Amino acid sequence: QKEVEQDPGPLSVPEGAIVSLNCTYSNSAFQYFMWYRQYSRKGPELLMYTYSSGNKEDGRFTAQVDKSSKYISLFIRDSQPSDSATYLCAMSANGNNRLAFGKGNQVVVIP
Amino acid sequence: DAGVTQSPTHLIKTRGQQVTLRCSPKSGHDTVSWYQQALGQGPQFIFQYYEEEERQRGNFPDRFSGHQFPNYSSELNVNALLLGDSALYLCASSLTAQGQETQYFGPGTRLLVL
Repeated sequence: QKEVEQDPGPLSVPEGAIVSLNCTYSNSAFQYFMWYRQYSRKGPELLMYTYSSGNKEDGRFTAQVDKSSKYISLFIRDSQPSDSATYLCAMSANGNNRLAFGKGNQVVVIP
Repeated sequence: DAGVTQSPTHLIKTRGQQVTLRCSPKSGHDTVSWYQQALGQGPQFIFQYYEEEERQRGNFPDRFSGHQFPNYSSELNVNALLLGDSALYLCASSLTAQGQETQYFGPGTRLLVL
């Protein structure tokens, strides 16, 4: 079983729709959870950062962490064509800077 | 405020050759991590440098080595290149003293091994 599972299937949505992405993980030591956005042929850009369980909102983006289920989610409201990118979940344990990534979800927002 | 920079942007090598990739961390950061991202995959952790020492290493062979300089910049060296080493190599910087795991990535170096 991989440490971090992220269904890499491409996701196409119409502009204005809600995008829902999620990851599951197996390492119960993970306490820091991140979502990165990666445009084609670019480096990952930090989008959301959450410590332990709970919700965090930043503009159109909401990150949720459920440590009891080892499940994290990212929601994008009122999606825009500029949101078209690959979204990577990443996580690390307390005091451990190694990031474990999912495979990434390619999202296409259709105007 | 300069972000993480990497050089070169692209590189083509042949099997068996050696390559050196370079990274300058974000201003004020003291820790550099290297990741390998194969096409269609998430980044895989190679190793991390702090205070000029390798602090942590992922599951990569010792053909992969690195160095950190006093100004916190870093190099990644790969010897005896294999076709499977073709990937995007990402450098990420962070501030250990900050006590959190936020890492900021550079644009990457795209390596093609023929």
